[in-house]
Amino acid sequence: NAGVTQTPKFQVLKTGQSMTLQCAQDMNHEYMSWYRQDPGMGLRLIHYSVGAGITDQGEVPNGYNVSRSTTEDFPLRLLSAAPSQTSVYFCASSPRRAGGLDEQFFGPGTRLTVL
Amino acid sequence: AQKVTQAQTEISVVEKEDVTLDCVYETRDTTYYLFWYKQPPSGELVFLIRRNSFDEQNEISGRYSWNFQKSTSSFNFTITASQVVDSAVYFCALKTSGSARQLTFGSGTQLTVLP
Repeated sequence: NAGVTQTPKFQVLKTGQSMTLQCAQDMNHEYMSWYRQDPGMGLRLIHYSVGAGITDQGEVPNGYNVSRSTTEDFPLRLLSAAPSQTSVYFCASSPRRAGGLDEQFFGPGTRLTVL
Repeated sequence: AQKVTQAQTEISVVEKEDVTLDCVYETRDTTYYLFWYKQPPSGELVFLIRRNSFDEQNEISGRYSWNFQKSTSSFNFTITASQVVDSAVYFCALKTSGSARQLTFGSGTQLTVLP
């Protein structure tokens, strides 16, 4: 199993550009999430999904869109990039067993810089 | 609402010293899980331990040990005989039955082990 994969690893955008961060998992996990990591703030939840076709907002959803058309993929879209979205983005997945209280498996992260 | 507090922003120790990383959590749920993750300089998130709210037994894994005390809402992490390779950011995180799809993270503790 490849686990959770994210592409790209690094990205530089100009203000106002749009892009999609890709996330895929091959563990057949129902739950997937996107977090952003900023210095001194830990990881904060952006959006999450409990299954294909179902998404919901997390703590910091503004400026981001998600969709979940398949169990495997959970892309994160930046609609109009802003410097405040400069961050490291992590995708995670977890199985639904045990009420979803199992550990989350994290991807390697995408480091995004918005100029 | 859930909250995780890691009051120690940075800790620096000399190799072979013992070090304890503090974690205090808040939740009204009676069913929850606590996690510790390690983030080495390479940036990935490495799962260390999961502990559920009904199991207050302390756990030891090699040089790592965890002390879970519900009475003080704490889940502290001790590294015995620290090594340079232990240098990393350590995150404590919480999952509750009410929000089982995602983790609430503390802000992290940067541990530096000096040779």
